Amino acid sequence: GENVEQHPSTLSVQEGDSAVIKCTYSDSASNYFPWYKQELGKGPQLIIDIRSNVGEKKDQRIAVTLNKTAKHFSLHITETQPEDSAVYFCAASMGGNAGNMLTFGGGTRLMVKP
Amino acid sequence: KAGVTQTPRYLIKTRGQQVTLSCSPISGHRSVSWYQQTPGQGLQFLFEYFSETQRNKGNFPGRFSGRQFSNSRSEMNVSTLELGDSALYLCASSFRWDRGYEQYFGPGTRLTVT
Repeated sequence: GENVEQHPSTLSVQEGDSAVIKCTYSDSASNYFPWYKQELGKGPQLIIDIRSNVGEKKDQRIAVTLNKTAKHFSLHITETQPEDSAVYFCAASMGGNAGNMLTFGGGTRLMVKP
Repeated sequence: KAGVTQTPRYLIKTRGQQVTLSCSPISGHRSVSWYQQTPGQGLQFLFEYFSETQRNKGNFPGRFSGRQFSNSRSEMNVSTLELGDSALYLCASSFRWDRGYEQYFGPGTRLTVT
């Protein structure tokens, strides 16, 4: 089955700096890659996603890049703010008979210091 | 539009008992997936339902089961509870099931087994 590795497990940045979180996946059949933000006591919140026919996608301060050949994708957060502090998860999905099943990475705890 | 709702939010049960958790998806969403989140294993897929049919199942024992009703609401049941079943159980809803669509998570049900 699919396996998703996520690095780093913790990331501490100064407010205003950029943060980058990287994920690799094992199955080339995966074609949908969402990123979730989870705050304490809440469920994961979808913040951005990318499909395998796209190399990069941006939404304000957040961007995701995908390298299908290398089977890795990354989340970039620019101009970080204290409210960006949370646990971030990457995930991969194959669709088709696998439906919406998501395989998650282990998570990255991002701490933004004011 | 209201988000995914899960009830109850917190639950304490004793080993050997059974438990039923409920999930109401976003209006118009017909796919409901369930995930288990633990510090040790992270986020793991349990099963997905669409149009009252189980479409996919993760690698969990038969003690974990679910169902979906005609109004797309879903329940999951865990029988003969074990201490290791203590976790945050998350429900996610999506418009369709066959392509890897955006999934939106509820706040989860925190289950503690003593």
